[in-house]
This record gives sequence, structure tokens and C-alpha cells, in this order.
Amino acid sequence: DTGVSQDPRHKITKRGQNVTFRCDPISEHNRLYWYRQTLGQGPEFLTYFQNEAQLEKSRLLSDRFSAERPKGSFSTLEIQRTEQGDSAMYLCASSFWGSGYGYTFGSGTRLTVV
Amino acid sequence: KNEVEQSPQNLTAQEGEFITINCSYSVGISALHWLQQHPGGGIVSLFMLSSGKKKHGRLIATINIQEKHSSLHITASHPRDSAVYICAVGRGVASGSRLTFGEGTQLTVNP
Repeated sequence: DTGVSQDPRHKITKRGQNVTFRCDPISEHNRLYWYRQTLGQGPEFLTYFQNEAQLEKSRLLSDRFSAERPKGSFSTLEIQRTEQGDSAMYLCASSFWGSGYGYTFGSGTRLTVV
Repeated sequence: KNEVEQSPQNLTAQEGEFITINCSYSVGISALHWLQQHPGGGIVSLFMLSSGKKKHGRLIATINIQEKHSSLHITASHPRDSAVYICAVGRGVASGSRLTFGEGTQLTVNP
């Protein structure tokens, strides 16, 4: 297992365009989390899944944001009609609920909206 | 006031110095995590604590549940330790719940 993979690593898009990011968690992990990190700040929670069920969404996740984990494996995060304020690092992490083990983070996708 | 506060925000040390980074939190937690983030964004999990003390190489993490405080210590610091160190707390009834993060401590170790 190569850990948590995120794709792409970097994305530059024009304001108003839609973007989609992908996260492949560790295969045995049943929980998958999305966080957003702006420059100089700690990450902020966006949403998480247990298997294919989306259990919680942050108020930060506006109607322009949608996340899916259709088969309980990889997840996608889509941002529609991007705004400059969406520019951030989008981090994915996975864990095995109830195992007592910690998180494994991906390397993140850095989004720049121009 | 943030639920997770770290100090200092920035720390510069000389190689070989003993380093301490502090984290205070204001909510009940199931576990506290110390994370390391290098330029480029990737985050590495260093420790997950619910009580006591853990040690891994030159890194030591302690937590005092009653005082809602944790410390990360680095002994014999080295320039490769330069990174952002982030404290995060999990608030679920068991480990694996979502995390609330501090703003991080930027550590620079000069040779």
C-alpha cells in the first residue's frame, strides 16, 4: 500500500470553472476526510465519509462543493463555479474507525483560482 | 478564541538545541495528534495521544488531560526538523473522529 494518494497535486483554474479532485485512501481504511488549508492556517474540516456514507459536512462546504465516495473506496471533491476564495490546499486523510490508529494524510491538492 | 491554541507561532533554534512546542485545547477530546508539515503541503502523523507520554527517536510528546495541555519536545534538533508542527484534537467518542487543528508552529533549525 502506497498510502493516501491525491490527484492532481496542483491545479490552476480560471474563476467560474469547475474542478474535481480525487483521493485514494489506504484500502483497509473505512473513514475518509477532506480538509481545506489556507496559507498560514491550520487545516479546517470539510466533510467525512464512513464507507460510502457521508456522515458530516461542515458549514464551510457551500452548495458549490460536493463530495462523493461511491463505492466506499476513492473519493472525489468537486467545486463548481470556483471563486478566488477557494484557492487553498485540499487535504485528504483516511483512518480505520475504532482501531485506535491515527490518521494517514495525502500530499494534498493545491488549487489556485485566477 | 480557537479551540486549539499553539505556542509559539514561530520558533528559531540552533542545531542541537532542545525544543518545546505547546498546545492547549478547550474542549473534551478523545485523542490529541501531533503532525508535521513540510513545504509542499504533505502532512505526516507523528503521535496520537490520549494520556501520558510517547517517544519516537528524538521526539517526545506528553499530554495532561486535566490541564488540557500537550507538549512536543525535540531533543538534539537538526536542520531537517525544520517544518510546521501542528497540534490537532479528535473529539469523537473513539479515535478516528474528525480533527480540529491548531494554526501550527513554524520551526526553523539553523546549522
